Amino acid sequence: TQLLEQSPQFLSIQEGENLTVYCNSSSVFSSLQWYRQEPGEGPVLLVTVVTGGEVKKLKRLTFQFGDARKDSSLHITAAQPGDTGLYLCAGASNQGGKLIFGQGTELSVKP
Amino acid sequence: DTGVSQNPRHKITKRGQNVTFRCDPISEHNRLYWYRQTLGQGPEFLTYFQNEAQLEKSRLLSDRFSAERPKGSFSTLEIQRTEQGDSAMYLCASGASGNTDTQYFGPGTRLTVL
Repeated sequence: TQLLEQSPQFLSIQEGENLTVYCNSSSVFSSLQWYRQEPGEGPVLLVTVVTGGEVKKLKRLTFQFGDARKDSSLHITAAQPGDTGLYLCAGASNQGGKLIFGQGTELSVKP
Repeated sequence: DTGVSQNPRHKITKRGQNVTFRCDPISEHNRLYWYRQTLGQGPEFLTYFQNEAQLEKSRLLSDRFSAERPKGSFSTLEIQRTEQGDSAMYLCASGASGNTDTQYFGPGTRLTVL
């Protein structure tokens, strides 16, 4: 059974701080996606990473896919209250199939 | 708006009743996925279609659950004889074959079984 362990589960920080969320597995994934979800809404795609070692940047967000394609990280620089939400990582094990999700990181950024 | 749409957004039903949810994917996407999400957890895969063919079903999809995508466009998910444990957010996602497995999610249907 493939699992994705996401940490931390909860994170409460002050505006302007930096943070990193981790997503780890013992399984290899063909790609890994990061989503952000607000209460009562569906997950919104932030990024897809495909190549081992790949780094992608989206404004203040930096995503990295591990060399072995088993883990990933999301780093947010100078967090803002608008970054508050549930961050989910999801791995795809085979082309076109299901996503395996981590349990999510609930981020709260206080002004 | 050309994103994934789901209807209804909320459904409250009594235990034992049947419910049906609809998902309209992004029009050019041939893959459609159903997931279920309970509070404090990430979404769990239920089933997926490529065009009208249902290619994979999770063991979470008991015989009370059935999904269809008759014309390869919209899909329905039906739950028969609902139980309180079925209360959850039901999410639909779509994607295009040949893509990097990227899936785009709809807003979800929140089901509450009383």
